[in-house]
Amino acid sequence: KNEVEQSPQNLTAQEGEFITINCSYSVGISALHWLQQHPGGGIVSLFMLSSGKKKHGRLIATINIQEKHSSLHITASHPRDSAVYICAVWGRDDKIIFGKGTRLHILP
Amino acid sequence: DSGVTQTPKHLITATGQRVTLRCSPRSGDLSVYWYQQSLDQGLQFLIQYYNGEERAKGNILERFSAQQFPDLHSELNLSSLELGDSALYFCASSPHGSRSGANVLTFGAGSRLTVL
Repeated sequence: KNEVEQSPQNLTAQEGEFITINCSYSVGISALHWLQQHPGGGIVSLFMLSSGKKKHGRLIATINIQEKHSSLHITASHPRDSAVYICAVWGRDDKIIFGKGTRLHILP
Repeated sequence: DSGVTQTPKHLITATGQRVTLRCSPRSGDLSVYWYQQSLDQGLQFLIQYYNGEERAKGNILERFSAQQFPDLHSELNLSSLELGDSALYFCASSPHGSRSGANVLTFGAGSRLTVL
């Protein structure tokens, strides 16, 4: 079993829909990152969380440390949100472990 | 432009060869991280340097080595290349070398290595 599991692996939705991507992990962590990788390959860090909730524009990230679970939400989704979203946990041993990513496709 | 510069963007070489990938961190960032992204393995953490010193090590093969120079740029050396080393290699930088994980990462555009 992978130490970081993301679901779903693939998601296709219509423009305007509310999107949720989930990340569960099994190791102790000091922080969790949500990354966005565009079709061209570039990676952008969206959020870094160690507790609670963060919001940036239409994106919201939450983390529940006790349940070892984080979610990334996209409100009013748009075709430009189409990308791979990757959850990465920063373990207490300084090792960074990545999920395999969720491929999101928003249809116009 | 993220401020993290990676060269070369693309590299094609043969098995058994050696290549060097270069990363210049964002201005003011002291930490550099290297990651490998292959189709079957996803992203994997290789190694982190902070202000010239190795800070953390991940799944880096013995055939691979890295260093960070006094001007803070970093190089990843890959030797005795195998077909399976074909991947995207990303560099990221952050301001600090904190062990708390509380580092905002800025990624470079990646170097695509193809080993034939």
